[in-house]
Amino acid sequence: GESVGLHLPTLSVQEGDNSIINCAYSNSASDYFIWYKQESGKGPQFIIDIRSNMDKRQGQRVTVLLNKTVKHLSLQIAATQPGDSAVYFCAEKAGGYQKVTFGIGTKLQVIP
Amino acid sequence: NAGVTQTPKFQVLKTGQSMTLQCAQDMNHNSMYWYRQDPGMGLRLIYYSASEGTTDKGEVPNGYNVSRLNKREFSLRLESAAPSQTSVYFCASSEGGIYSYEQYFGPGTRLTVT
Repeated sequence: GESVGLHLPTLSVQEGDNSIINCAYSNSASDYFIWYKQESGKGPQFIIDIRSNMDKRQGQRVTVLLNKTVKHLSLQIAATQPGDSAVYFCAEKAGGYQKVTFGIGTKLQVIP
Repeated sequence: NAGVTQTPKFQVLKTGQSMTLQCAQDMNHNSMYWYRQDPGMGLRLIYYSASEGTTDKGEVPNGYNVSRLNKREFSLRLESAAPSQTSVYFCASSEGGIYSYEQYFGPGTRLTVT
């Protein structure tokens, strides 16, 4: 299930299950969204992106869904593996050349 | 390719001391960025450089200065460090242009100000 920890929302998932990480954004003018993965002690790493003229995009084991009506973004990870344990950030581009704004992140814990 | 490199990896400063964080990228990217990351606050943009020769303030620029030395290098300077600047600092770069906003991040610099 999903819980709020001291600093980050945390999602605990059994290995092999699917994970869904949610993100709400506030700016209706945002036209581009990215998901990043950050492993402990490392910099964020790009996972997948989606433009506002799309509502779904698939990558390898990951799918991003965009619902502009309720300003909501989700990242689905299929068959979650221990290596998926990390903090996941959504980011949006809303005005400003090349500037993106990051959310606070969600910690994904995979239970073996 | 090394991607984005940052030096140093760790630093401890006393209040009032100054230092420069170095960042370099070897991907021929036009845009570069400095972020700080604090618990529960995500990544906050300090300064960015859309292209060589230009720099602009981000969300939290106070207490920092930057220099885009050339296309490869973008440094962040703390003139008089304060405990509130204790954080993890990330440099990032992106191609620039309108087709891709993917940013590539360095490994970070962990700074403690006592």
